[in-house]
Amino acid sequence: DAGITQSPRYKITETGRQVTLMCHQTWSHSYMFWYRQDLGHGLRLIYYSAAADITDKGEVPDGYVVSRSKTENFPLTLESATRSQTSVYFCASSPDPEGYEQYFGPGTRLTVT
Amino acid sequence: QKEVEQNSGPLSVPEGAIASLNCTYSDRGSQSFFWYRQYSGKSPELIMSIYSNGDKEDGRFTAQLNKASQYVSLLIRDSQPSDSATYLCAVLNFNKFYFGSGTKLNVKP
Repeated sequence: DAGITQSPRYKITETGRQVTLMCHQTWSHSYMFWYRQDLGHGLRLIYYSAAADITDKGEVPDGYVVSRSKTENFPLTLESATRSQTSVYFCASSPDPEGYEQYFGPGTRLTVT
Repeated sequence: QKEVEQNSGPLSVPEGAIASLNCTYSDRGSQSFFWYRQYSGKSPELIMSIYSNGDKEDGRFTAQLNKASQYVSLLIRDSQPSDSATYLCAVLNFNKFYFGSGTKLNVKP
């Protein structure tokens, strides 16, 4: 199906473990984004990518790693999960953020115990 | 100081009334501004984008931008219970989006 998908939708992991959240879009959008949403903070940008092999830090990148070897995929890795990374993570894509809508995936709820 | 500030609410309005949502931003160089709606447990969806000073209308929604005052607002006319959601203001600076924490709107039947 066309659109933007995230997997898993729910994840429980332990402190110190590595976790990878997947994001896949079928529109061939150039731009992709990762956000976290916490109560009282709204959405905060973690990393974004303007094209394959081009990534840049957002507002809260510490503790996260991204890669983008293919246009359609933008995985987010928590190298050593901490309780403070418990959050809802949203992936988004856009042809061009300046002039076009940003489309959000359904989100991944991550709990770090 | 946060990049984008919003009153968290909740803002309660009766059905059929006008709901007014406000947002201020700190970076005077910001060029693009957006309003998103987010229902509980769902992902955000774009309602309006605005790029120049003044008003922009789309159906029951009107976005207002005042760059001199660094202020963006969203008016919802003839509010419906289905408009009850959290409204997120977002500002774009050099490919990075900054979101406010959102205003929760309750429309009472």
